[in-house]
Amino acid sequence: GAVVSQHPSWVICKSGTSVKIECRSLDFQATTMFWYRQFPKQSLMLMATSNEGSKATYEQGVEKDKFLINHASLTLSTLTVTSAHPEDSSFYICSAREGGWEGDVFGPGTRLTVL
Amino acid sequence: QKEVEQNSGPLSVPEGAIASLNCTYSDRGSQSFFWYRQYSGKSPELIMFIYSNGDKEDGRFTAQLNKASQYVSLLIRDSQPSDSATYLCAFTGGGNKLTFGTGTQLKVEL
Repeated sequence: GAVVSQHPSWVICKSGTSVKIECRSLDFQATTMFWYRQFPKQSLMLMATSNEGSKATYEQGVEKDKFLINHASLTLSTLTVTSAHPEDSSFYICSAREGGWEGDVFGPGTRLTVL
Repeated sequence: QKEVEQNSGPLSVPEGAIASLNCTYSDRGSQSFFWYRQYSGKSPELIMFIYSNGDKEDGRFTAQLNKASQYVSLLIRDSQPSDSATYLCAFTGGGNKLTFGTGTQLKVEL
């Protein structure tokens, strides 16, 4: 079946630094990728929708200058959390969608802890 | 009114029983419906999707969709302890993004 990977799986960083998270579709080309954030005991919150070669569409309340998304190819999207602060600590999850869509495939997630 | 409503649970069922999970949605334009399972500390994994009214079966899982009443449900037959997880329903409307419910925690007890 379709597989999506994320790297790193967890990261700890100091406040003020930037962190890049990669999302790759391993065995299919993803027309669209999505980035979510999930705080403990809460549901998934969509941050942005990313299409290859175009600017990401951010959800209301998500700062596009803080959460930089690059979708350079049909198999790779990156999320960079710039100037991270403790309140950015969360579980970041990407998902990828094929053209013949029968459900988005989620990556394993990246747990970010900002000290 | 929330777009997607799910009982947060926990829903406890004995091993071997049928677990019934329900989800209601407010957008009548919703087109596609999905059930995801999420284990604690892990990302969601797709269990089933359903587009048309009626039932759709896949192994021990049956999804039921009733667009007139705006609800979708998931039945898990012969529940196993490994089914213990949070179940998220999601749908797409006119746009291309998934809208998730808050999830129902299922506990299957020995």
